[in-house]
Amino acid sequence: GENVEQHPSTLSVQEGDSAVIKCTYSDSASNYFPWYKQELGKGPQLIIDIRSNVGEKKDQRIAVTLNKTAKHFSLHITETQPEDSAVYFCAASRGDMRFGAGTRLTVK
Amino acid sequence: NAGVTQTPKFRILKIGQSMTLQCAQDMNHNYMYWYRQDPGMGLKLIYYSVGAGITDKGEVPNGYNVSRSTTEDFPLRLELAAPSQTSVYFCASSTQGGGHEQYFGPGTRLTVT
Repeated sequence: GENVEQHPSTLSVQEGDSAVIKCTYSDSASNYFPWYKQELGKGPQLIIDIRSNVGEKKDQRIAVTLNKTAKHFSLHITETQPEDSAVYFCAASRGDMRFGAGTRLTVK
Repeated sequence: NAGVTQTPKFRILKIGQSMTLQCAQDMNHNYMYWYRQDPGMGLKLIYYSVGAGITDKGEVPNGYNVSRSTTEDFPLRLELAAPSQTSVYFCASSTQGGGHEQYFGPGTRLTVT
């Protein structure tokens, strides 16, 4: 089955800096790659997603890139703010959704 | 819309006890899911349902059971609770499976001692 690895597990940045979280997946048939944000005490919430026929997608300060050949995708957050502090999960799907282990982002 | 709701928020069980975690959604979604979240392990799929009367196992189904008698409700049953079932449980729903957004409930924190 699909295996998703996510790095780093923790990330600390200064307010205004950029943050990058990377994920790799194993199943070349996966075609949907969402990113979820989980705030303390809440369920995950979708912040951006990308499909396998697209290389990059942007939504204000958030962008996701996908490299199908290398089977990796990344989340980029620019001009970070304290409210960006949360746990971020990547996932890959061709049916079942498989999640990465999460990255705890702290914006100081 | 309330979205996806879960009860209870917290629960402590003794080893061998049973309980049902409740999940309901008011978005008329066909697909519903149960995940468990262990520290540093991400979300693992326990069971899912593609519509009323249809359920199937996910990645980690042992020790759990589900039913789906209505579109709105998707309860998760734990029989003979074990310490390994200590976790945070999330219910989610989506309009379709695979490549579509899943909407998550707030979670149930379960401790088995």
